[in-house]
Amino acid sequence: DAGVIQSPRHEVTEMGQEVTLRCKPISGHDYLFWYRQTMMRGLELLIYFNNNVPIDDSGMPEDRFSAKMPNASFSTLKIQPSEPRDSAVYFCASSLSGRNGYEQFFGPGTRLTVL
Amino acid sequence: GNSVTQMEGPVTLSEEAFLTINCTYTATGYPSLFWYVQYPGEGLQLLLKATKADDKGSNKGFEATYRKETTSFHLEKGSVQVSDSAVYFCALSNAGGTSYGKLTFGQGTILTVHP
Repeated sequence: DAGVIQSPRHEVTEMGQEVTLRCKPISGHDYLFWYRQTMMRGLELLIYFNNNVPIDDSGMPEDRFSAKMPNASFSTLKIQPSEPRDSAVYFCASSLSGRNGYEQFFGPGTRLTVL
Repeated sequence: GNSVTQMEGPVTLSEEAFLTINCTYTATGYPSLFWYVQYPGEGLQLLLKATKADDKGSNKGFEATYRKETTSFHLEKGSVQVSDSAVYFCALSNAGGTSYGKLTFGQGTILTVHP
């Protein structure tokens, strides 16, 4: 199994530009999570999906952030327009409901730098 | 609501020292408990888990016991190595309510092991 796949691994952009982060969850998993990690704020849950439907987006910082999951094997997190304070590592994770206690599997992350 | 409180860090030890990282939780229902580890530049990966009271999770010499009476899940290792230097996160799964499927994470504890 390839695990959770994220792209790109690194993104450097200028303030005001649109940024799209991509995630492919583990095949068969029915939950998908987007997190943001910074030194100042630690690990924050932004949004999560169950069976492609957004369940809780209360962690999305503002309207500049949006996330979609058009099918079970793909999700995007978009920031438009980007700002320097959005610089962080963004993680995608997936999990399978059932008897495993909802263990989450994390991708390697996308390191975003907004200049 | 659910919450996880971890021992304040950073923790600095010499190689072969004994490690304890404290974790206590507040939760409704019967959550599963997890320890995740994050090595520099990588995503979080599951270290061990316990899905019911009195279960002991173990992996790579680390262990933790699910103590419902003290609502704790302390991480221990008898002899740490330099390669154990990482950030350790305690987490619980939300077993019910509107946050079903979500993990609640502690703030993370940075461990540095010196030769």
